[in-house]
Amino acid sequence: AQKVTQAQTEISVVEKEDVTLDCVYETRDTTYYLFWYKQPPSGELVFLIRRNSFDEQNEISGRYSWNFQKSTSSFNFTITASQVVDSAVYFCALSEGSYNTDKLIFGTGTRLQVFP
Amino acid sequence: SAVISQKPSRDICQRGTSLTIQCQVDSQVTMMFWYRQQPGQSLTLIATANQGSEATYESGFVIDKFPISRPNLTFSTLTVSNMSPEDSSIYLCSVLDSGGLNNEQFFGPGTRLTVL
Repeated sequence: AQKVTQAQTEISVVEKEDVTLDCVYETRDTTYYLFWYKQPPSGELVFLIRRNSFDEQNEISGRYSWNFQKSTSSFNFTITASQVVDSAVYFCALSEGSYNTDKLIFGTGTRLQVFP
Repeated sequence: SAVISQKPSRDICQRGTSLTIQCQVDSQVTMMFWYRQQPGQSLTLIATANQGSEATYESGFVIDKFPISRPNLTFSTLTVSNMSPEDSSIYLCSVLDSGGLNNEQFFGPGTRLTVL
């Protein structure tokens, strides 16, 4: 069965600290996609990244970086030099299927609070 | 990326009434999804809205309670019928933008529903 686990319910950091949000997934498919979304207090879901199961290369985008490790079924997200504007709930999600047409299975989310 | 709008953005409704939520996309998309996010919870897929055919519902969701229409490739509605306070949630429309090879999944701003 497919499942996404975000064990960290809430994380608090002080501005400029680095923070890593953990995501562990379960799937029997060999082809799948992993996502991270940000949900700020305003409520909208902001797409951050999509990674397919055949691409284990880590990715960096500005202060954001993602570490995908199939051996441990993890897709962790690191924010470097955190800022107050990073305060939000972050969701990791999984989609199974070769053409990314299937539903998104979300983790329970990690609430990140960045204090000035 | 697809731009998605939802109406209404929020509503307060009385128990036993019904509310229809509209989702409009600025481009033609193959797949549209409806998610529910209960207070403080993660997102759960209600159904996949297929153009020209019946929606496909997830376990725990039924057509009588959440009828869905998908009259064309840019529009869908979700009705929450015979509402109770347990239906108080954010309802989000999502689209699979299959243009090119990206197959990104984007979310609307959500409809915040409170049932008294």
